[in-house]
Amino acid sequence: KAGVTQTPRYLIKTRGQQVTLSCSPISGHRSVSWYQQTPGQGLQFLFEYFSETQRNKGNFPGRFSGRQFSNSRSEMNVSTLELGDSALYLCASSLGRGGYGYTFGSGTRLTVV
Amino acid sequence: SQELEQSPQSLIVQEGKNLTINCTSSKTLYGLYWYKQKYGEGLIFLMMLQKGGEEKSHEKITAKLDEKKQQSSLHITASQPSHAGIYLCGADKDGGSQGNLIFGKGTKLSVKP
Repeated sequence: KAGVTQTPRYLIKTRGQQVTLSCSPISGHRSVSWYQQTPGQGLQFLFEYFSETQRNKGNFPGRFSGRQFSNSRSEMNVSTLELGDSALYLCASSLGRGGYGYTFGSGTRLTVV
Repeated sequence: SQELEQSPQSLIVQEGKNLTINCTSSKTLYGLYWYKQKYGEGLIFLMMLQKGGEEKSHEKITAKLDEKKQQSSLHITASQPSHAGIYLCGADKDGGSQGNLIFGKGTKLSVKP
C-alpha cells in the first residue's frame, strides 16, 4: 500500500512570505501529526489532527497552523516566514493514539532566505 | 516533562562489528519506537516495543525494552555500510494520550568498509 506522501520535497522561500505543505496519510489512517526537525532542536512536535479536528498542539507560535480534510489529507501553513523556520518538516500518519505506530513521510525541506 | 537521552551521540565502527545504542527515559515508557533516518530524509520505522522485557528482531537488528520500561537498547550484529545513518528513539508522550511522540537527539552511525 502507498506510504505517507509529502509535497513538495523542497521549497525555498523569502522571509516574510507564507508557505503551505501537504501530507497525504496512509489509506485508512485518520491521525496525522506534524514535526519540525532542525540540527539544534532535533524533532519537535507541531500538532496532531484526527478526523478534521486538531487534538493537540506543540509549543510553536501562532504563525504555524494546520488543517485536515475529510479524506484525512492534511496541510500545514507557516505565515510570515523567519530564517529560523528553515527545517525539515515531517508528517506522520497513524490509525490512532497509543500503540498503533507512526509512519513518517519523506519530509519537506524548507529553506528561508 | 518526559525526556529521552540517547547514547552515544555518534559511533564509528568497522564493518562486521557489533554495536549497541541506548535510549533512556526520564519516565516510564509505554510505547518505544526505533527509527532510522538517512540525512535529510524521512524516518524509516524499525521496531515498536510496548511491554517490559519485550525483545524484537529484524534481520540483524534487535531491540529490547527493559523490565522497568525506562530504557531501551538497539543492537546491530555484524554491521554493514547499509546500516549507516541516524538512529532515533521515540516514545509515546504521556502514555500515548497526547497523540505525539517525543524523540531523543539521535545517534549517528558510520560503518567503515
